[in-house]
Amino acid sequence: DTGVSQNPRHKITKRGQNVTFRCDPISEHNRLYWYRQTLGQGPEFLTYFQNEAQLEKSRLLSDRFSAERPKGSFSTLEIQRTEQGDSAMYLCASSLAQGAEAFFGQGTRLTVV
Amino acid sequence: AQSVAQPEDQVNVAEGNPLTVKCTYSVSGNPYLFWYVQYPNRGLQFLLKYITGDNLVKGSYGFEAEFNKSQTSFHLKKPSALVSDSALYFCAVRPPNSNYQLIWGAGTKLIIKP
Repeated sequence: DTGVSQNPRHKITKRGQNVTFRCDPISEHNRLYWYRQTLGQGPEFLTYFQNEAQLEKSRLLSDRFSAERPKGSFSTLEIQRTEQGDSAMYLCASSLAQGAEAFFGQGTRLTVV
Repeated sequence: AQSVAQPEDQVNVAEGNPLTVKCTYSVSGNPYLFWYVQYPNRGLQFLLKYITGDNLVKGSYGFEAEFNKSQTSFHLKKPSALVSDSALYFCAVRPPNSNYQLIWGAGTKLIIKP
């Protein structure tokens, strides 16, 4: 399977715990995006990488959220001190160029209890 | 403010009938336009895009979309609906001055009844 891969698919955590998600994009794609989606809504942009550089970060992202793409390949999204409001589907996508479509992974569903 | 509107929360169509899912946008310049589909508990799948050229764009699974610049619309269409087309459909727009930004509609739930 050469699509975008996200792990884990599901994560249940207690409030206050830290969680980390991983995204493996399509190998030749240099652009990588993280989105958050809640039920019945469209995706909300979180952050964007071009190669290893994090070029944009949404104002929606509090200081508890951090993302990395250390070698310009896979990326991680960490949420520290999780809150119930963080419960959502976290989507990763990658693309090749500005006009190209983004390909999405199946997402990581986070539930904070 | 830039925005994308999908005016219908839900569209119901009988199998075999044509379907239309509407999308209008408010973005300056000549944006890139996309349609994605999402099945339950799945990620978003790309259907089709418009960047330039012919206003009628053909995509996956028999879907097509018509770009109308004067009406700033990009409606998704299919001549004959299948029950398996039932899913959530999202319209998204990339402003011309952005390398990364996608502005998303709220989604339209498409229900195809046998």
